[in-house]
Amino acid sequence: GNSVTQMEGPVTLSEEAFLTINCTYTATGYPSLFWYVQYPGEGLQLLLKATKADDKGSNKGFEATYRKETTSFHLEKGSVQVSDSAVYFCALSQGGGADGLTFGKGTHLIIQP
Amino acid sequence: DSGVTQTPKHLITATGQRVTLRCSPRSGDLSVYWYQQSLDQGLQFLIQYYNGEERAKGNILERFSAQQFPDLHSELNLSSLELGDSALYFCASSPGTSQETQYFGPGTRLLVL
Repeated sequence: GNSVTQMEGPVTLSEEAFLTINCTYTATGYPSLFWYVQYPGEGLQLLLKATKADDKGSNKGFEATYRKETTSFHLEKGSVQVSDSAVYFCALSQGGGADGLTFGKGTHLIIQP
Repeated sequence: DSGVTQTPKHLITATGQRVTLRCSPRSGDLSVYWYQQSLDQGLQFLIQYYNGEERAKGNILERFSAQQFPDLHSELNLSSLELGDSALYFCASSPGTSQETQYFGPGTRLLVL
């Protein structure tokens, strides 16, 4: 079956540091890939997505590239802010009528001033 | 604000009881998805409805059931509740069925005592 593996946390960085959160997946065919973010006490918000190989999703300074050869979708940001502190989830959608998202376990990111 | 609404926000009940969670999708969205978020299992897909019909099933227990009504709102029914059913239950919606972005509601926090 489908699965998503991401580094768990917490990951603690200083403000303005470079961020990478690794995500790899197992799926058949050509899934769509997503990063969602969950702020404390809130629901999930879509951060970015990519629907085919070599696509780059980007939003709010975050980027991730769909790498089919390494089955990865790593999240990066050049300079993090305290307001980026949240839990980040990598997810995939298989499509073909079975469209429940498969999530990784989430990475808790803490940015210190 | 994603446009997806869920009620109630919090629910406290006892083991053996039955509860109903309600979700209203974004205007125009035909698909509704239910997810459970717990500390031990993470985020798990439960079930998807599209325009009133069940479309896909995930890790949904037999004690749980859902339906989508003609006005497209959905209800998740949880019965014979156990302590382990305590979790955050999220509803999400999307326009159709295929690998689209899902927009999440704020969730219902269920506590079973």
